[in-house]
Amino acid sequence: TQLLEQSPQFLSIQEGENLTVYCNSSSVFSSLQWYRQEPGEGPVLLVTVVTGGEVKKLKRLTFQFGDARKDSSLHITAAQPGDTGLYLCAGGATNKLIFGTGTLLAVQP
Amino acid sequence: NAGVTQTPKFQVLKTGQSMTLQCAQDMNHEYMSWYRQDPGMGLRLIHYSVGAGITDQGEVPNGYNVSRSTTEDFPLRLLSAAPSQTSVYFCASRGPKGAFFGQGTRLTVV
Repeated sequence: TQLLEQSPQFLSIQEGENLTVYCNSSSVFSSLQWYRQEPGEGPVLLVTVVTGGEVKKLKRLTFQFGDARKDSSLHITAAQPGDTGLYLCAGGATNKLIFGTGTLLAVQP
Repeated sequence: NAGVTQTPKFQVLKTGQSMTLQCAQDMNHEYMSWYRQDPGMGLRLIHYSVGAGITDQGEVPNGYNVSRSTTEDFPLRLLSAAPSQTSVYFCASRGPKGAFFGQGTRLTVV
């Protein structure tokens, strides 16, 4: 069974700080996705990484896929209150996407 | 585009009652799934479908049924609600660019 573990579980930081969220597995994934979920809403896809070592940037968010395709990280530069939310990584077959337990981020103004 | 539409948004059931959560997508995606989200547990896959007429069990299928008579619709049925099924339920439709989720149904079973 493929499992995705995320760390940290909770993160509370001040506006302007940098942070990194990790997603780790003992299994190899053909691709990993990152989602952000806000209260009362469904997860929204941020990015998909497919190649080992790949780095993708989305404004202040930088996503990296590990060389062995077993892990991924999300780095946020100069966090803003609007970045607050639950960040989820996900991977697996098209018909059986599995999710990590998530990192709950709170950015204080 | 509406994307993925789930109804209802909120529901309270008594133990033993049955109900159907509706899900519809307008993106012509073959793959659709139902997840439940509980505190500290993340999103867990209940059932999924790879196309009309084809469904399969996910990680936590007990107490739930699904059907997929059309590409657009993928309803989830609770046969006899139990307090352990209190959760937030999400329907997802998956295409080449990733999964798209509905807004969720917050279900409370008393």
